[in-house]
Amino acid sequence: DAGVTQSPTHLIKTRGQQVTLRCSPISGHKSVSWYQQVLGQGPQFIFQYYEKEERGRGNFPDRFSARQFPNYSSELNVNALLLGDSALYLCASSLGGPLEYFGPGTRLTVT
Amino acid sequence: QKEVEQDPGPLSVPEGAIVSLNCTYSNSAFQYFMWYRQYSRKGPELLMYTYSSGNKEDGRFTAQVDKSSKYISLFIRDSQPSDSATYLCAMSALRAQKLVFGQGTRLTINP
Repeated sequence: DAGVTQSPTHLIKTRGQQVTLRCSPISGHKSVSWYQQVLGQGPQFIFQYYEKEERGRGNFPDRFSARQFPNYSSELNVNALLLGDSALYLCASSLGGPLEYFGPGTRLTVT
Repeated sequence: QKEVEQDPGPLSVPEGAIVSLNCTYSNSAFQYFMWYRQYSRKGPELLMYTYSSGNKEDGRFTAQVDKSSKYISLFIRDSQPSDSATYLCAMSALRAQKLVFGQGTRLTINP
């Protein structure tokens, strides 16, 4: 069975630009979460969506937004990129409970 | 103080050794306790999952939760070079929308 997939794998952007990251959950999973992992740190929660509704939001600025589509895939958007946004962005899916399964991540570099 | 504390290591042990990885936490609402393994530049992989207190064993891996001390452990027996990775503890409260991660412990098993 296919796991969580994310695209693109790597991305290089300039400060001030906007970026969109994409995620497809495990088949049958209706919940998608986004995490940011800075080098040397554990992942930090950004958003969770369940059945296309936002169910939780972490302590991130309004420059970060997300949505979930009818097929349960999801996009994370980050506007006005800062150097500090450089990180591995992880998508995780679940059936709605606490067990989350992560994708390989999108590595974002902001220069 | 962080909600979840984890010694970042690095930890280096010889092949075949027993490895002990630990996390402490401050939020008494945490009920779900997970261990993830993350290889370099990859997404976290769910290793073990425990609800509330107690022990759980899966092959060479044993997870322990002591809620009275707010302390969780992961033991790896007969460690192998392929176990070399960063190990992340993660926790969640009942009906919470997010996982709270430790910083991760970088483990190297030397042949």
